[in-house]
Amino acid sequence: DVKVTQSSRYLVKRTGEKVFLECVQDMDHENMFWYRQDPGLGLRLIYFSYDVKMKEKGDIPEGYSVSREKKERFSLILESASTNQTSMYLCASSYADHGKLFFGSGTQLSVL
Amino acid sequence: AQSVTQLGSHVSVSEGALVLLRCNYSSSVPPYLFWYVQYPNQGLQLLLKYTSAATLVKGINGFEAEFKKSETSFHLTKPSAHMSDAAEYFCAVSEAGGTSYGKLTFGQGTILTVHP
Repeated sequence: DVKVTQSSRYLVKRTGEKVFLECVQDMDHENMFWYRQDPGLGLRLIYFSYDVKMKEKGDIPEGYSVSREKKERFSLILESASTNQTSMYLCASSYADHGKLFFGSGTQLSVL
Repeated sequence: AQSVTQLGSHVSVSEGALVLLRCNYSSSVPPYLFWYVQYPNQGLQLLLKYTSAATLVKGINGFEAEFKKSETSFHLTKPSAHMSDAAEYFCAVSEAGGTSYGKLTFGQGTILTVHP
């Protein structure tokens, strides 16, 4: 069965900390995505990657960066966490341009 | 640019009643359209997908959606609601082909409540 695994279900961090969210997929997918989900706003795309070491900004990249050193792993980095980055973060992957995304269970990040 | 609007952040139905969740989209090119469902404490799962074949798309769990280009709509329906359908539903759009890399633009979500 297809699997996208996010390393943590819940995280609590302090303002100004550097935060790493990890995502691993076992399907050999080319594309990987990071979304954040907020009530009433749906899912908004932060960054995506279409190949190893390739990345592109999504709709809300400010305050975030990403890393994809291996095909199966896509990391989201909050360089200096702020309270407005408290959110649910969802990782997803897909085959090139098929559009069907496979999602992880999400990481609920609280920044205090 | 593409966008999705879901009309109604909350929909409440009785068990056995018709479910209708509304979605309108805008896209400058022919779109792919999707409905995803999110059960509590889980990630999103694909319900169904429109990719320019038949305009009426059947998905899992008895859901279906109809693509209406003239109305730029892709509403989700189910004839008879079940308690297990209670979840949040997201409509999403992707640009077909090109360099979209399959990234999706999502609507705001609609929370479906089913009453006994």
